[in-house]
Amino acid sequence: DSGVTQTPKHLITATGQRVTLRCSPRSGDLSVYWYQQSLDQGLQFLIQYYNGEERAKGNILERFSAQQFPDLHSELNLSSLELGDSALYFCASSVAGLVSDTQYFGPGTRLTVL
Amino acid sequence: AQSVTQLDSQVPVFEEAPVELRCNYSSSVSVYLFWYVQYPNQGLQLLLKYLSGSTLVKGINGFEAEFNKSQTSFHLRKPSVHISDTAEYFCAVSDPMDSNYQLIWGAGTKLIIKP
Repeated sequence: DSGVTQTPKHLITATGQRVTLRCSPRSGDLSVYWYQQSLDQGLQFLIQYYNGEERAKGNILERFSAQQFPDLHSELNLSSLELGDSALYFCASSVAGLVSDTQYFGPGTRLTVL
Repeated sequence: AQSVTQLDSQVPVFEEAPVELRCNYSSSVSVYLFWYVQYPNQGLQLLLKYLSGSTLVKGINGFEAEFNKSQTSFHLRKPSVHISDTAEYFCAVSDPMDSNYQLIWGAGTKLIIKP
């Protein structure tokens, strides 16, 4: 158990809909990362937050947005969903958000878009 | 910009045999190097990382990796694999001077243990 929690575990929805994925980092970690993992694209970094502020942006679509709240939990919002958004979405956390930090991954949310 | 190449998408190996999973990165400037493992239906977890110092890094579950600056490689090795090592292994690299704070991830190598 990494100490990172993600809800829900599974999500099934239809094209065009909007969903929110939630992540609680390990106690004491200030930085949160979001990743998408799919069979065709592999592991893709989406976005990183540190203490409530966006720190780094990866391959995140404009239809996707995220935020980190004062209690340090984070939400990833996916809108206008397409079939190709079906994937595993991981949240990870680290102490200080540095490139030398170990990232601790949650168990993931499996999103299925029908 | 940095890139990471994991040369093998799958590596089949017999149980109790040694294994090497290969990882090469593009730039020879200072780097931090990581190996993460993803067991079936789980998130990733850190196996080991190189930040500085000894080029031979020991990790969890009997794995080790050697940082080779001249060959820009960070290959992962285990002298004797077990069925429980079945997983996907990801190499990642970061640049200590990178203000983007990003890890660059390899495509992953699936380790398949044959009984």
